[in-house]
Amino acid sequence: EVDLVESGGGLVQPGGSLRLSCKASGFNFYNYNMAWVRQLPGKGLQWVGSIDPYDSGKYYLDSVRGRFTLSRDNAERSLFLQMNSLRDDDTAVYYCARDAFGVFDSWGQGTLVTVSS
Amino acid sequence: EIVLTQSPGTLSVSPGDRVTLSCRASQIVEHQYLAWYQQKPGQSPRVLVYGASTRAAGVPDRFSGSGAGRDFSLTISGLGPEDCAIYYCQHYSSLPRTFGQGTKVEI
Repeated sequence: EVDLVESGGGLVQPGGSLRLSCKASGFNFYNYNMAWVRQLPGKGLQWVGSIDPYDSGKYYLDSVRGRFTLSRDNAERSLFLQMNSLRDDDTAVYYCARDAFGVFDSWGQGTLVTVSS
Repeated sequence: EIVLTQSPGTLSVSPGDRVTLSCRASQIVEHQYLAWYQQKPGQSPRVLVYGASTRAAGVPDRFSGSGAGRDFSLTISGLGPEDCAIYYCQHYSSLPRTFGQGTKVEI
């Protein structure tokens, strides 16, 4: 059974940084693209970015490009999201998702990031 | 960027009803690369349909997707209380991947 467990969320001041992690199990992690999708408070879903299995192809939402960085460690079956220069509108629940050619076919339980002074 | 507009915003239904949710794209969604997700209160989203009409593993056959081009729909037959949720469409024909704003189904 596919399992994705996020961690690293919390309260951070505007301009601050946070690193999210996602630990995967139950599938061949090194064979899959992975993604982060966020859910803004009381609102819908927004794709943040995706990374290929080789940690080389990385794709970002325009509003986070240059501030957020995707990475992964296949040996540790882990996905990461380094978030810098955080803004109020980055406040959201961040989900780790398995990205099957653009379909998010498994999701973690989410981790809440709150950007506030 | 492809903008997806879902309608209606909220659907109030009765058990056993058959309902159709709509998703309209601002541009043609190539190859019918359109998925539907269900999100129940307090839970993560779950994929129901991909490729516009292919049910994901384990999804009951009362869920069916259809459509092509710019217009897509998700039909739920024999609605039950367990189907109370928000349903989102999402395209994956280009970057950025985008989602519709969701349709809330309430009984």
